Amino acid sequence: GAGVSQSPSNKVTEKGKDVELRCDPISGHTALYWYRQSLGQGLEFLIYFQGNSAPDKSGLPSDRFSAERTGGSVSTLTIQRTQQEDSAVYLCASSLDGMNTEAFFGQGTRLTVV
Amino acid sequence: LAKTTQPISMDSYEGQEVNITCSHNNIATNDYITWYQQFPSQGPRFIIQGYKTKVTNEVASLFIPADRKSSTLSLPRVSLSDTAVYYCLVGESTTNAGKSTFGDGTTLTVKP
Repeated sequence: GAGVSQSPSNKVTEKGKDVELRCDPISGHTALYWYRQSLGQGLEFLIYFQGNSAPDKSGLPSDRFSAERTGGSVSTLTIQRTQQEDSAVYLCASSLDGMNTEAFFGQGTRLTVV
Repeated sequence: LAKTTQPISMDSYEGQEVNITCSHNNIATNDYITWYQQFPSQGPRFIIQGYKTKVTNEVASLFIPADRKSSTLSLPRVSLSDTAVYYCLVGESTTNAGKSTFGDGTTLTVKP
């Protein structure tokens, strides 16, 4: 597609359940980023994928969070045993070639844990 | 990562120039200053980036004093559609947010 696509756009889940959030980056972009934005706050970096290199997971808040990127394209962010504090908008972005190229964001997935 | 401080909110009127200042006292030698714009229910969008002095593009200007401990985003002749949250980031990435964590941003409201 023309832009970064995220699905679902909204997700409501019960506390304790696992969720998977999907990101389809712009075709040909080698770098992919996940961020979290809590209500009324700025973005918090979570994880960064660049090509075939090992991902930079330095921003993941706990071991309940994980992400993978298959075939250098689609990425899935998984949150296990969700907690209410996980409620936020999860944004994905991609850039052509690493951090020195402009990143384009998707519309995000609004996650609500009840 | 350098912490940034911005005003929480600003109001302006159509046609006015708006200046939003960001403080980043702990900026490192290798850090760049990048500003993003975010509309409701959308991801942030890159506006402008600079290292020192002044940078201008078709959207905005960025003023950075010699000590680089602050920067000012200048939006000329704002319109209603410029109502958004503006984020100042400081980090080694020259063009995108990379591994930076955004601060709370400045909510700009442009009134008719």
